Amino acid sequence: QQQVKQSPQSLIVQKGGISIINCAYENTAFDYFPWYQQFPGKGPALLIAIRPDVSEKKEGRFTISFNKSAKQFSLHIMDSQPGDSATYFCAALNNNAGNMLTFGGGTRLMVKP
Amino acid sequence: DVKVTQSSRYLVKRTGEKVFLECVQDMDHENMFWYRQDPGLGLRLIYFSYDVKMKEKGDIPEGYSVSREKKERFSLILESASTNQTSMYLCAGQTGRNSNQPQHFGDGTRLSIL
Repeated sequence: QQQVKQSPQSLIVQKGGISIINCAYENTAFDYFPWYQQFPGKGPALLIAIRPDVSEKKEGRFTISFNKSAKQFSLHIMDSQPGDSATYFCAALNNNAGNMLTFGGGTRLMVKP
Repeated sequence: DVKVTQSSRYLVKRTGEKVFLECVQDMDHENMFWYRQDPGLGLRLIYFSYDVKMKEKGDIPEGYSVSREKKERFSLILESASTNQTSMYLCAGQTGRNSNQPQHFGDGTRLSIL
C-alpha cells in the first residue's frame, strides 16, 4: 500500500501548456515534500521542495501548491517545454523518523513541440 | 560537482546467484541509500546507512543485504537472486543528518535475473 499516491501515471502536454501532477498522502506526520525529476538513463534529481507551513513555493516555471487540510500537494509546470519531458516523482518525509523518503509512483510527462 | 557512481549500467544474472551491486560517492556524504525502481511503484527504499559499518532496513529489505566498510562505498547484495528481483536499482548519497538535504542519485543499474 503506497503512502503517497501520485496521478496521473502519464501526461502529454503541448509546448507552452501547463503540466499538473497531483499527489496525496495519509500520514499527517510528513513534514517535508520534495519533487524529483528523472530524465531517461539518469538518476532522479531534486527539483523543488516545500514544507507544510507554506501553501505555495515557486522556482522559475515550477510551482508546488500545498493543501494541508486535504493532505494533497501538486506540481505545476508553466509554459511547458519539450526539455521538461521526464518522469516526475513526488515524495514525503517525516523529519522525526529519520531520512526515509516515501515516493509516489511517478508521472511520465511528454511535452509535444 | 556531486558524483555518485554505480559500477554497472546493465547486469544479467541467473536465479540463485549471489549478486553484488556497487556504489561509490565522492562527496564525503555520511548517508547512503539503495532503492529499487519499478513502473507504477516509484522508488522503494531497500536499505540505508548513516555511517561506516552502520545499516538500517528500509521498506523492502527481504532478500537483500548491504555492506559499508568504507565511507565512500555502499554495496547491495542479493544473497540468492530471484526473478522478482529484476528491476532498476538506484544508489543515492546525502550529506549529514539533516533529512531535508537533497539525495544525490547515481544513474542506476538495470538488473535482469533469468
